[in-house]
Amino acid sequence: ETGVTQTPRHLVMGMTNKKSLKCEQHLGHNAMYWYKQSAKKPLELMFVYNFKEQTENNSVPSRFSPECPNSSHLFLHLHTLQPEDSALYLCASSQVGGLADTNTGELFFGEGSRLTVL
Amino acid sequence: AQTVTQSQPEMSVQEAETVTLSCTYDTSESDYYLFWYKQPPSRQMILVIRQEAYKQQNATENRFSVNFQKAAKSFSLKISDSQLGDAAMYFCAYRGRTGGFKTIFGAGTRLFVKA
Repeated sequence: ETGVTQTPRHLVMGMTNKKSLKCEQHLGHNAMYWYKQSAKKPLELMFVYNFKEQTENNSVPSRFSPECPNSSHLFLHLHTLQPEDSALYLCASSQVGGLADTNTGELFFGEGSRLTVL
Repeated sequence: AQTVTQSQPEMSVQEAETVTLSCTYDTSESDYYLFWYKQPPSRQMILVIRQEAYKQQNATENRFSVNFQKAAKSFSLKISDSQLGDAAMYFCAYRGRTGGFKTIFGAGTRLFVKA
């Protein structure tokens, strides 16, 4: 496997369900991200992890719970979601930092998990 | 806070013609990166082209080039000799060099290519 892989690709869940999205990167990067993509809106950054430590949480509701057990895996645990949470959830990774921060931070994306909340 | 604005929700171009997608951004930083990403239908988003703000020369990648106007905070993407495979959503994005790990995206422009 190469690049960034996300599972499942499609998920339909009720408002009372609990489910998880999984992301795995095979690029040796040190940062991983969850973005939410809704129609006609900019991508919304949800969470950032750097070396397994969460560095950003953009006021995301607590019904979204991220987990980063190591630098290659990222999960998004979902519970008691609302219909407005229906969207494409994108995982990405990048290599950032370094002494002079010469890495541009180019993002490498997975194909996304299309979530529908009924 | 930094913002990225793409004022064209949709654009259309004839195959083999040239099209320009617009992007403006707002920042108080002097050193940053700008990107154009492409998201084909039902496929993953990929980087098209990147520009470092400290470089005056506009970036080019084969048929893709940018017009970077730092003072005007403008970063447009030109696609020459458009091909059917260029049909996609195009996102303009900004990352500050010292702003941590945030990359900020515009709302995107959907490009249609007519045969």
